[in-house]
Amino acid sequence: DVKVTQSSRYLVKRTGEKVFLECVQDMDHENMFWYRQDPGLGLRLIYFSYDVKMKEKGDIPEGYSVSREKKERFSLILESASTNQTSMYLCASSSGVHEQYFGPGTRLTVT
Amino acid sequence: RKEVEQDPGPFNVPEGATVAFNCTYSNSASQSFFWYRQDCRKEPKLLMSVYSSGNEDGRFTAQLNRASQYISLLIRDSKLSDSATYLCVVNPNAGNNRKLIWGLGTSLAVNP
Repeated sequence: DVKVTQSSRYLVKRTGEKVFLECVQDMDHENMFWYRQDPGLGLRLIYFSYDVKMKEKGDIPEGYSVSREKKERFSLILESASTNQTSMYLCASSSGVHEQYFGPGTRLTVT
Repeated sequence: RKEVEQDPGPFNVPEGATVAFNCTYSNSASQSFFWYRQDCRKEPKLLMSVYSSGNEDGRFTAQLNRASQYISLLIRDSKLSDSATYLCVVNPNAGNNRKLIWGLGTSLAVNP
């Protein structure tokens, strides 16, 4: 089975803090994705990566950056957290153009 | 028109009922389609992939109608554990596109 893990299930940070969310997958997938999910807005793609050191902006990249130094690991960085970044963050991985597999999510609260 | 549209529901059905959801998509070049289920405060999980005209897995049947650009999900003999949000997902075109387009989901509540 594909396993995608995320570093934290719940996180509380203060406005202005730098926040790191990490995601690791164990299926040698070349593609990795970061989404956020908010009530009524569905899943929105922040960034994705199709290879080590490669990244592409998704639909809502503002306020975020990413890092992919190893194939199995994809990090999402909030340079200066703001209250409007309070959300559920979901990491996913896939192979080719096929279905995506998700980690359990990180519920981030910025106060 | 949204790229992927679903009726948000909620659909409230009794145990044992048959329920169907439809999902429409705007890009006629779309090649592959998926249904995910998402339980409250959990991650989406793949339910079915639909690559040709349809797919069946036990009580679940997905059908694709390319002419009308919709996919459907049929759940027979509903169980209480089927209560969840069902997400329709579309890969808008073939080639190297890796992004998926997500519907907002249809909420299902199966009642005793």
